[in-house]
Amino acid sequence: ETGVTQTPRHLVMGMTNKKSLKCEQHLGHNAMYWYKQSAKKPLELMFVYSLEERVENNSVPSRFSPECPNSSHLFLHLHTLQPEDSALYLCASSQVLASYEQYFGPGTRLTVT
Amino acid sequence: GESVGLHLPTLSVQEGDNSIINCAYSNSASDYFIWYKQESGKGPQFIIDIRSNMDKRQGQRVTVLLNKTVKHLSLQIAATQPGDSAVYFCAENRSGGSYIPTFGRGTSLIVHP
Repeated sequence: ETGVTQTPRHLVMGMTNKKSLKCEQHLGHNAMYWYKQSAKKPLELMFVYSLEERVENNSVPSRFSPECPNSSHLFLHLHTLQPEDSALYLCASSQVLASYEQYFGPGTRLTVT
Repeated sequence: GESVGLHLPTLSVQEGDNSIINCAYSNSASDYFIWYKQESGKGPQFIIDIRSNMDKRQGQRVTVLLNKTVKHLSLQIAATQPGDSAVYFCAENRSGGSYIPTFGRGTSLIVHP
């Protein structure tokens, strides 16, 4: 498989559930990102990892918890989410942190009920 | 404040016509711009980029024009096809600033056969 993959593609969860989103990149990149895409809003950066170290946490609530076990995998752990957290969550990677060109996965469509 | 935005939220064109999607930016320090295409159910895909030392750059059926005087960026698509129907985002980066691009809200391009 090539590029950036994300699983699951769709997720419905209650506010008391705990779930995780997974991202995997097959490009040999060193930087990975989580974005939130809500309707009619620009992409919102959530987290940035470079060589498995978190380098940016863009004022994201603690109910979102990222994990980067290696440079190819990125997780977003979710717990006690709110309905307003429903959105498309996009993972991206870039060759290095300073590389402007990012490669996006297809996203996980999350619905919080 | 500084922002990246798009003039039109939706653009409808006939197949075969040329399409022009516009983007305004407010920070004169921005020196690198990217256009992304996002099809339904997919993540954003890099289309073309341009640096501030250029006024024009051409790709396959796409041309990006940069007018630094009025801080305006446009994406021209020649002979628009139904497969071009998507949301198009512009993004800006600033040397010496954050390595994370700032995205616009997006313009939805609808191509009628």
